[in-house]
Amino acid sequence: AQKVTQAQTEISVVEKEDVTLDCVYETRDTTYYLFWYKQPPSGELVFLIRRNSFDEQNEISGRYSWNFQKSTSSFNFTITASQVVDSAVYFCALRGYYGGSQGNLIFGKGTKLSVKP
Amino acid sequence: GAVVSQHPSRVICKSGTSVKIECRSLDFQATTMFWYRQFPKKSLMLMATSNEGSKATYEQGVEKDKFLINHASLTLSTLTVTSAHPEDSSFYICSAPQPGHSYEQYFGPGTRLTVT
Repeated sequence: AQKVTQAQTEISVVEKEDVTLDCVYETRDTTYYLFWYKQPPSGELVFLIRRNSFDEQNEISGRYSWNFQKSTSSFNFTITASQVVDSAVYFCALRGYYGGSQGNLIFGKGTKLSVKP
Repeated sequence: GAVVSQHPSRVICKSGTSVKIECRSLDFQATTMFWYRQFPKKSLMLMATSNEGSKATYEQGVEKDKFLINHASLTLSTLTVTSAHPEDSSFYICSAPQPGHSYEQYFGPGTRLTVT
């Protein structure tokens, strides 16, 4: 079975603080994909990153960085110098490999991030 | 990038009526689309997989007679909530994988359904 756990339900920080959102996943697939999405109050999902299981390089994109640790089945997301506009619900998701571009995403329960000025 | 649209973005209907939600892939063909449901402050749960030219595949616990899915063409899938009840009020999101793009999946903006 596949499962994604985001243990942090809500996080509140003050602007300019760094914050890390945790994601732990379970899968029996040897090839799989991990995602992070941002969902602002408008509801639309905003794609942030996709990482495949055989690429453990960490990635940095501006103030965002991701730490993929296959040994601990974790794919954590860090926002550096947080801003009020970062306030949203963040979802971690997992997708197995189905031999083609099919397959739904399994989502974690999400972490609500509130950044206060 | 690829775009998926949904219509309507918001709908309010009375109990007992049916509501149709459209999901369109605007610049690519999608043989498969996914329908998710999100309750307030909750995660997205897969309801069903919509397959062009064949019947939809429903997740366990999802009533296929209540949530009718029709994948009419390679760019359009519709979800019809029949005989809606207040407990059907939710945020419905569709997604479509774009073939040949490393399994990238594109989400629609969602439809907020309120049943009064």
